[in-house]
Amino acid sequence: TQLLEQSPQFLSIQEGENLTVYCNSSSVFSSLQWYRQEPGEGPVLLVTVVTGGEVKKLKRLTFQFGDARKDSSLHITAAQPGDTGLYLCAGYNDMRFGAGTRLTVKP
Amino acid sequence: GAGVSQSPSNKVTEKGKDVELRCDPISGHTALYWYRQRLGQGLEFLIYFQGNSAPDKSGLPSDRFSAERTGESVSTLTIQRTQQEDSAVYLCASSRAQGYGYTFGSGTRLTVV
Repeated sequence: TQLLEQSPQFLSIQEGENLTVYCNSSSVFSSLQWYRQEPGEGPVLLVTVVTGGEVKKLKRLTFQFGDARKDSSLHITAAQPGDTGLYLCAGYNDMRFGAGTRLTVKP
Repeated sequence: GAGVSQSPSNKVTEKGKDVELRCDPISGHTALYWYRQRLGQGLEFLIYFQGNSAPDKSGLPSDRFSAERTGESVSTLTIQRTQQEDSAVYLCASSRAQGYGYTFGSGTRLTVV
């Protein structure tokens, strides 16, 4: 089992600010997935990163996979209240998720 | 179906009763997963089914928990002699195969009183 550590655990910011959350492991992943969970719903897949050093953009969200494929980051530009939720990462072939970053964006 | 369907959406039960939760995965998805999410917490892996292979039960917290899946269709998670600490949202997810992205249902919120 590959342990995934996410940081920070909680983040509360004002609308318009930028932020970065992290997903780290001591193990190498062949790929890594990011999910967002809104209250009362199941998590929704945002992106899968596969190649070391890969950067993927989804509107204001930028995902990066570390060169060594042991870590990943999610950067949100000009956060909006709709970005509020629990952000989770999960590694390929591992059924376990990180504990998540709970993001609150205040209007 | 178009998505993963879970029923019931909410369940209130008395301590000591048995409960059965149902999950209808996306048609054609061979992998199915159950997770538990306590209030304000992350996802706790419970059990994984892949096709007709023996399930991975390594996440089940006690022998009061069991799950079944017939082929690549519906799965049921059964909790016997429920305890208050079993109160949580139980999420089901399916995927085309292990390693592909998960599609989650909206969960069953279980409250044990």
